[in-house]
Amino acid sequence: AQKITQTQPGMFVQEKEAVTLDCTYDTSDPSYGLFWYKQPSSGEMIFLIYQGSYDQQNATEGRYSLNFQKARKSANLVISASQLGDSAMYFCAMRASSGTYKYIFGTGTRLKVLA
Amino acid sequence: DTGVSQDPRHKITKRGQNVTFRCDPISEHNRLYWYRQTLGQGPEFLTYFQNEAQLEKSRLLSNRFSAERPKGSFSTLEIQRTEQGDSAMYLCASSPPGQMNTEAFFGQGTRLTVV
Repeated sequence: AQKITQTQPGMFVQEKEAVTLDCTYDTSDPSYGLFWYKQPSSGEMIFLIYQGSYDQQNATEGRYSLNFQKARKSANLVISASQLGDSAMYFCAMRASSGTYKYIFGTGTRLKVLA
Repeated sequence: DTGVSQDPRHKITKRGQNVTFRCDPISEHNRLYWYRQTLGQGPEFLTYFQNEAQLEKSRLLSNRFSAERPKGSFSTLEIQRTEQGDSAMYLCASSPPGQMNTEAFFGQGTRLTVV
């Protein structure tokens, strides 16, 4: 069975500083995808970044980067130069490479950026 | 805006009543998902449609829940004889035909409160 674990219920970061949100996963599938989504108070899930299990390099998208350590089964999200608008819930999710491509989500981390 | 649209955004109902939610996915997205999110948790998969065919249902989806996607366009999720435990955010997501790395796009959700 697939599982995502996010051990940080809440995090604080000072504006303009970097922050790392932790995510570990468990799966027996050799091929899988890891995603991060942001959920502001409005409720919509906003896609941030994707990492494939066979990707050799860590994914980057603007201020977001993914620290992928396959042997440790971790896929931590790094947000650089935090902004007040980054305050939200952040979810790590996994997809298997076959079938429905449904997501398995973690419990999320609530990030608060301080001015 | 041609994103995923959900209606209504909020629904308050009395225990025992039936409710129906609607989801309009992004055009040409053949994959459609329903998730349920309770307070402090990540979204949990409920069911998946590929075009008009319902290909997977979670064990979370009791026999009081039914979903349809006639003609492979919009989808409805109905809950019969609602219970207080059904109170949650119901999220719809869609994604185009493609590989695992193609992210799903989420609607803003329908928040159900059963009193």
